Amino acid sequence: DTGVSQDPRHKITKRGQNVTFRCDPISEHNRLYWYRQTLGQGPEFLTYFQNEAQLEKSRLLSDRFSAERPKGSFSTLEIQRTEQGDSAMYLCASSKRQGAETQYFGPGTRLLVL
Amino acid sequence: KNEVEQSPQNLTAQEGEFITINCSYSVGISALHWLQQHPGGGIVSLFMLSSGKKKHGRLIATINIQEKHSSLHITASHPRDSAVYICAAPRGAQKLVFGQGTRLTINP
Repeated sequence: DTGVSQDPRHKITKRGQNVTFRCDPISEHNRLYWYRQTLGQGPEFLTYFQNEAQLEKSRLLSDRFSAERPKGSFSTLEIQRTEQGDSAMYLCASSKRQGAETQYFGPGTRLLVL
Repeated sequence: KNEVEQSPQNLTAQEGEFITINCSYSVGISALHWLQQHPGGGIVSLFMLSSGKKKHGRLIATINIQEKHSSLHITASHPRDSAVYICAAPRGAQKLVFGQGTRLTINP
Protein backbone atom coordinates (compact mmCIF):
# COMPACT_ATOMS: atom_id res chain seq x y z
CA ASP A 1 0.00 0.00 0.00
CA THR A 2 1.57 3.29 -1.07
CA GLY A 3 -0.98 5.60 0.52
CA VAL A 4 -0.60 7.85 3.54
CA SER A 5 -0.35 5.88 6.77
CA GLN A 6 -0.79 6.99 10.34
CA ASP A 7 0.07 5.32 13.61
CA PRO A 8 -1.55 4.63 15.96
CA ARG A 9 -5.10 4.52 14.66
CA HIS A 10 -6.53 4.96 18.13
CA LYS A 11 -5.08 6.34 21.35
CA ILE A 12 -6.68 6.60 24.77
CA THR A 13 -4.73 8.53 27.36
CA LYS A 14 -5.22 10.20 30.69
CA ARG A 15 -5.24 13.95 31.07
CA GLY A 16 -1.75 15.29 31.59
CA GLN A 17 0.03 12.56 29.65
CA ASN A 18 2.08 13.17 26.51
CA VAL A 19 1.18 11.49 23.23
CA THR A 20 2.96 11.27 19.89
CA PHE A 21 1.47 10.42 16.53
CA ARG A 22 3.29 9.46 13.37
CA CYS A 23 2.44 10.09 9.72
CA ASP A 24 4.14 8.49 6.74
CA PRO A 25 3.23 10.36 3.55
CA ILE A 26 3.26 9.07 0.01
CA SER A 27 6.95 8.74 -0.79
CA GLU A 28 7.34 11.31 -3.56
CA HIS A 29 5.18 13.94 -1.84
CA ASN A 30 7.11 16.84 -0.40
CA ARG A 31 4.18 18.57 1.30
CA LEU A 32 2.72 17.20 4.50
CA TYR A 33 -0.25 18.60 6.41
CA TRP A 34 -1.73 17.99 9.84
CA TYR A 35 -5.43 18.65 10.47
CA ARG A 36 -7.66 18.14 13.50
CA GLN A 37 -11.31 17.15 13.35
CA THR A 38 -13.67 17.24 16.30
CA LEU A 39 -16.94 15.36 16.34
CA GLY A 40 -19.49 16.67 13.86
CA GLN A 41 -17.16 19.28 12.40
CA GLY A 42 -15.03 19.54 9.31
CA PRO A 43 -11.26 19.23 9.70
CA GLU A 44 -9.22 22.29 10.74
CA PHE A 45 -5.71 23.07 9.63
CA LEU A 46 -2.93 22.70 12.20
CA THR A 47 0.38 22.91 10.36
CA TYR A 48 2.19 21.96 7.20
CA PHE A 49 5.68 21.09 6.00
CA GLN A 50 7.47 21.59 2.73
CA ASN A 51 10.11 18.87 2.91
CA GLU A 52 11.60 19.26 6.43
CA ALA A 53 10.64 22.92 6.86
CA GLN A 54 7.55 23.76 8.91
CA LEU A 55 6.13 26.68 6.94
CA GLU A 56 2.91 27.52 8.74
CA LYS A 57 1.28 26.86 12.09
CA SER A 58 -2.32 27.55 13.00
CA ARG A 59 -3.36 29.47 16.10
CA LEU A 60 -4.95 26.16 17.12
CA LEU A 61 -1.47 24.76 17.64
CA SER A 62 -0.78 25.84 21.21
CA ASP A 63 2.66 25.57 22.77
CA ARG A 64 1.71 22.10 24.00
CA PHE A 65 1.74 20.91 20.40
CA SER A 66 4.87 20.33 18.38
CA ALA A 67 5.35 18.81 14.96
CA GLU A 68 8.49 17.68 13.23
CA ARG A 69 9.51 16.25 9.91
CA PRO A 70 13.21 15.71 10.48
CA LYS A 71 14.27 14.16 7.20
CA GLY A 72 11.49 15.43 5.01
CA SER A 73 9.78 12.06 5.01
CA PHE A 74 7.66 10.96 7.98
CA SER A 75 6.30 13.45 10.47
CA THR A 76 5.44 13.32 14.15
CA LEU A 77 2.88 15.35 16.07
CA GLU A 78 3.37 15.48 19.84
CA ILE A 79 0.88 16.79 22.35
CA GLN A 80 2.26 17.47 25.82
CA ARG A 81 0.15 17.59 28.99
CA THR A 82 -2.97 16.48 27.14
CA GLU A 83 -6.32 18.03 28.00
CA GLN A 84 -9.80 16.64 27.43
CA GLY A 85 -10.31 19.28 24.75
CA ASP A 86 -7.54 17.65 22.72
CA SER A 87 -9.82 14.68 22.06
CA ALA A 88 -10.27 14.62 18.30
CA MET A 89 -9.31 12.87 15.09
CA TYR A 90 -5.86 13.94 13.93
CA LEU A 91 -5.53 13.69 10.17
CA CYS A 92 -2.41 13.77 8.07
CA ALA A 93 -2.35 14.51 4.34
CA SER A 94 0.34 14.83 1.73
CA SER A 95 0.64 16.36 -1.71
CA LYS A 96 3.27 16.62 -4.41
CA ARG A 97 3.80 20.33 -4.54
CA GLN A 98 2.21 23.66 -3.83
CA GLY A 99 -0.83 25.14 -5.43
CA ALA A 100 -4.12 23.41 -6.03
CA GLU A 101 -2.79 19.88 -5.73
CA THR A 102 -4.89 16.98 -4.56
CA GLN A 103 -4.14 16.15 -0.95
CA TYR A 104 -4.15 12.48 -0.04
CA PHE A 105 -5.34 11.75 3.46
CA GLY A 106 -4.31 9.10 5.92
CA PRO A 107 -6.84 7.13 8.00
CA GLY A 108 -6.37 9.42 10.99
CA THR A 109 -5.49 8.89 14.63
CA ARG A 110 -8.44 9.11 16.98
CA LEU A 111 -7.38 10.50 20.36
CA LEU A 112 -9.48 10.25 23.48
CA VAL A 113 -8.27 12.06 26.57
CA LEU A 114 -9.93 10.86 29.76
CA LYS B 1 -19.41 33.36 8.84
CA ASN B 2 -17.29 30.39 7.77
CA GLU B 3 -15.20 30.79 4.66
CA VAL B 4 -16.71 27.55 3.31
CA GLU B 5 -20.38 26.78 3.89
CA GLN B 6 -22.20 23.60 2.98
CA SER B 7 -25.87 22.74 2.78
CA PRO B 8 -27.68 20.77 3.86
CA GLN B 9 -25.91 19.59 7.00
CA ASN B 10 -27.87 16.36 6.99
CA LEU B 11 -29.62 14.63 4.12
CA THR B 12 -31.61 11.42 4.16
CA ALA B 13 -32.93 9.92 0.93
CA GLN B 14 -34.20 6.68 -0.53
CA GLU B 15 -32.09 4.48 -2.72
CA GLY B 16 -32.19 5.62 -6.32
CA GLU B 17 -32.83 9.29 -5.61
CA PHE B 18 -30.79 12.09 -7.18
CA ILE B 19 -28.71 13.83 -4.53
CA THR B 20 -27.40 17.40 -4.52
CA ILE B 21 -25.04 18.87 -1.95
CA ASN B 22 -24.12 22.55 -2.17
CA CYS B 23 -21.00 24.45 -1.22
CA SER B 24 -20.46 28.20 -1.13
CA TYR B 25 -17.18 29.88 -0.37
CA SER B 26 -16.21 33.44 0.38
CA VAL B 27 -12.55 33.41 -0.53
CA GLY B 28 -10.98 33.62 -3.95
CA ILE B 29 -9.71 30.19 -4.88
CA SER B 30 -8.08 28.45 -7.79
CA ALA B 31 -9.83 25.12 -7.23
CA LEU B 32 -12.29 23.40 -4.94
CA HIS B 33 -12.07 19.93 -3.45
CA TRP B 34 -14.84 17.48 -2.71
CA LEU B 35 -14.00 14.80 -0.16
CA GLN B 36 -15.80 11.76 1.19
CA GLN B 37 -15.46 10.56 4.77
CA HIS B 38 -16.82 7.21 5.88
CA PRO B 39 -17.49 6.18 9.48
CA GLY B 40 -14.12 5.46 11.05
CA GLY B 41 -12.63 8.67 9.75
CA GLY B 42 -10.81 7.92 6.49
CA ILE B 43 -11.05 10.74 3.96
CA VAL B 44 -10.97 10.13 0.23
CA SER B 45 -10.53 12.87 -2.33
CA LEU B 46 -13.35 12.71 -4.89
CA PHE B 47 -12.76 15.73 -7.08
CA MET B 48 -10.60 18.76 -7.45
CA LEU B 49 -12.05 21.21 -9.93
CA SER B 50 -11.37 24.74 -11.00
CA SER B 51 -14.05 25.22 -13.64
CA GLY B 52 -17.02 23.59 -15.28
CA LYS B 53 -17.90 20.04 -14.45
CA LYS B 54 -16.23 16.74 -13.63
CA LYS B 55 -17.81 13.28 -13.62
CA HIS B 56 -16.68 10.05 -12.05
CA GLY B 57 -19.10 7.18 -12.21
CA ARG B 58 -22.33 8.30 -10.56
CA LEU B 59 -20.72 11.38 -9.04
CA ILE B 60 -20.79 14.77 -10.75
CA ALA B 61 -19.20 17.96 -9.43
CA THR B 62 -19.81 21.41 -10.84
CA ILE B 63 -18.33 24.76 -9.99
CA ASN B 64 -19.17 28.38 -10.83
CA ILE B 65 -16.13 30.44 -9.98
CA GLN B 66 -17.92 33.78 -10.50
CA GLU B 67 -20.71 32.85 -8.10
CA LYS B 68 -18.32 31.06 -5.72
CA HIS B 69 -20.54 28.03 -5.63
CA SER B 70 -20.07 24.33 -6.22
CA SER B 71 -22.39 21.36 -6.18
CA LEU B 72 -21.86 17.64 -5.79
CA HIS B 73 -24.48 15.40 -7.37
CA ILE B 74 -25.00 11.68 -6.95
CA THR B 75 -27.16 9.91 -9.50
CA ALA B 76 -28.99 6.66 -8.70
CA SER B 77 -27.93 6.86 -5.05
CA HIS B 78 -27.12 3.67 -3.19
CA PRO B 79 -26.81 2.88 0.52
CA ARG B 80 -23.03 2.54 0.09
CA ASP B 81 -22.97 6.26 -0.79
CA SER B 82 -23.85 6.98 2.84
CA ALA B 83 -21.01 9.07 4.20
CA VAL B 84 -20.06 12.61 5.11
CA TYR B 85 -19.27 14.74 2.09
CA ILE B 86 -16.97 17.70 2.65
CA CYS B 87 -16.00 20.55 0.36
CA ALA B 88 -12.71 22.31 0.92
CA ALA B 89 -10.97 25.32 -0.55
CA PRO B 90 -7.20 25.87 -0.61
CA ARG B 91 -6.28 28.92 1.42
CA GLY B 92 -3.14 30.67 0.36
CA ALA B 93 -2.50 27.81 -2.08
CA GLN B 94 -1.46 25.55 0.79
CA LYS B 95 -3.78 24.46 3.58
CA LEU B 96 -7.36 23.46 2.99
CA VAL B 97 -10.27 25.23 4.63
CA PHE B 98 -13.13 22.79 5.07
CA GLY B 99 -16.87 23.08 5.18
CA GLN B 100 -18.63 21.47 8.10
CA GLY B 101 -19.68 18.49 6.01
CA THR B 102 -22.97 17.04 4.84
CA ARG B 103 -24.00 13.76 6.41
CA LEU B 104 -25.75 11.71 3.73
CA THR B 105 -27.82 8.65 4.56
CA ILE B 106 -29.30 6.57 1.77
CA ASN B 107 -31.95 4.13 2.93
CA PRO B 108 -32.63 0.93 0.97
